[in-house]
Amino acid sequence: RKEVEQDPGPFNVPEGATVAFNCTYSNSASQSFFWYRQDCRKEPKLLMSVYSSGNEDGRFTAQLNRASQYISLLIRDSKLSDSATYLCVVNGGASYDKVIFGPGTSLSVIP
Amino acid sequence: DVKVTQSSRYLVKRTGEKVFLECVQDMDHENMFWYRQDPGLGLRLIYFSYDVKMKEKGDIPEGYSVSREKKERFSLILESASTNQTSMYLCASSPGNNSPLHFGNGTRLTVT
Repeated sequence: RKEVEQDPGPFNVPEGATVAFNCTYSNSASQSFFWYRQDCRKEPKLLMSVYSSGNEDGRFTAQLNRASQYISLLIRDSKLSDSATYLCVVNGGASYDKVIFGPGTSLSVIP
Repeated sequence: DVKVTQSSRYLVKRTGEKVFLECVQDMDHENMFWYRQDPGLGLRLIYFSYDVKMKEKGDIPEGYSVSREKKERFSLILESASTNQTSMYLCASSPGNNSPLHFGNGTRLTVT
């Protein structure tokens, strides 16, 4: 089993749709969790951190389920500009060689 | 806003050349990283540094070395470039463990 797995995608959704991405991780000692977005041929950019209580930033909601070892990202009212690859990132502990990037899930929002 | 600057967006080098990729961050971050990203393989950690003159190997250090003489600067060195090192190279920094990484805009290196 890979350390961090994501929905394989790609996701093709119409504008205005709600889309959810899931990510599972294998290391139960993981301590911090993030979602990044990456546009084609650009660097990854931090979208949001994921907290145990769940957190929301505008149209984006992130959830963490430690018992089941998964995190999710919900995007409401999708915009064309949301088209990107979404990377799940898990920090497994005190050492940075434990920062694991998921393979990413591609989203295309269609007019 | 954190600014991580990579010296070149695009580089073309010949096999056997020594290649230097430079990265500078302006937020006094302790930790700096070098990744490469290839289609289908995702982001892979080459080296990281948690302090000046300190370095740790990542997942794929072979063929690379690094230098961190000043806190704000982290250099990646390809001692003898090979075609399989053609890739997108991404530098990142962070203030500490469990903090998010902030990436530079990447260097797309082609080795011919």
